[in-house]
Amino acid sequence: DGGITQSPKYLFRKEGQNVTLSCEQNLNHDAMYWYRQDPGQGLRLIYYSQIVNDFQKGDIAEGYSVSREKKESFPLTVTSAQKNPTAFYLCASSMARGSGANVLTFGAGSRLTVL
Amino acid sequence: QKEVEQNSGPLSVPEGAIASLNCTYSDRGSQSFFWYRQYSGKSPELIMFIYSNGDKEDGRFTAQLNKASQYVSLLIRDSQPSDSATYLCAVNFYSGAGSYQLTFGKGTKLSVIP
Repeated sequence: DGGITQSPKYLFRKEGQNVTLSCEQNLNHDAMYWYRQDPGQGLRLIYYSQIVNDFQKGDIAEGYSVSREKKESFPLTVTSAQKNPTAFYLCASSMARGSGANVLTFGAGSRLTVL
Repeated sequence: QKEVEQNSGPLSVPEGAIASLNCTYSDRGSQSFFWYRQYSGKSPELIMFIYSNGDKEDGRFTAQLNKASQYVSLLIRDSQPSDSATYLCAVNFYSGAGSYQLTFGKGTKLSVIP
């Protein structure tokens, strides 16, 4: 079945450590996204990528980094520069970002807790 | 700044009633509108999307769009306890150079009481 796989589902990090969240899709979608969700809040865009080897900052990119070396993969690194990283992280994909349609398919999410 | 506003709730309705969820948005030029359902601790899943003014029905769900009033709503008929979730409204704003950005509201928490 086609879908988006995020791992790990739960992750604990000590302050000062970088962590990488994995996101893999087999939907053959061009565009991929990372969102952050805090309790009682909507989704906020961290980074997005429309094609391989290209990505753009979203609304809250500071303290995060991404790569897009393969169409299927879009890992997110939460760096030590991110001051409040405890959140629910959601990876999503869509057929193309440039269109007005933009129907997103989401992965199951990764919950990061800083100890 | 593109904004999407929703009443955070919680909205409580009895089982079998109609639940009405509302959303307003700031950009009159927005083209497409989405409703996602999110159960606690889970990821959002698409319920339906709408592009044109008027109503769009899918089973027990009806999306209503009024571009002049910059207002989109979701009606859930014959509400069931399994509909209890947070409903996220998302609006596709044109961000220039042929690109669109999807902006989410904070969501409305719906509770269907048996």
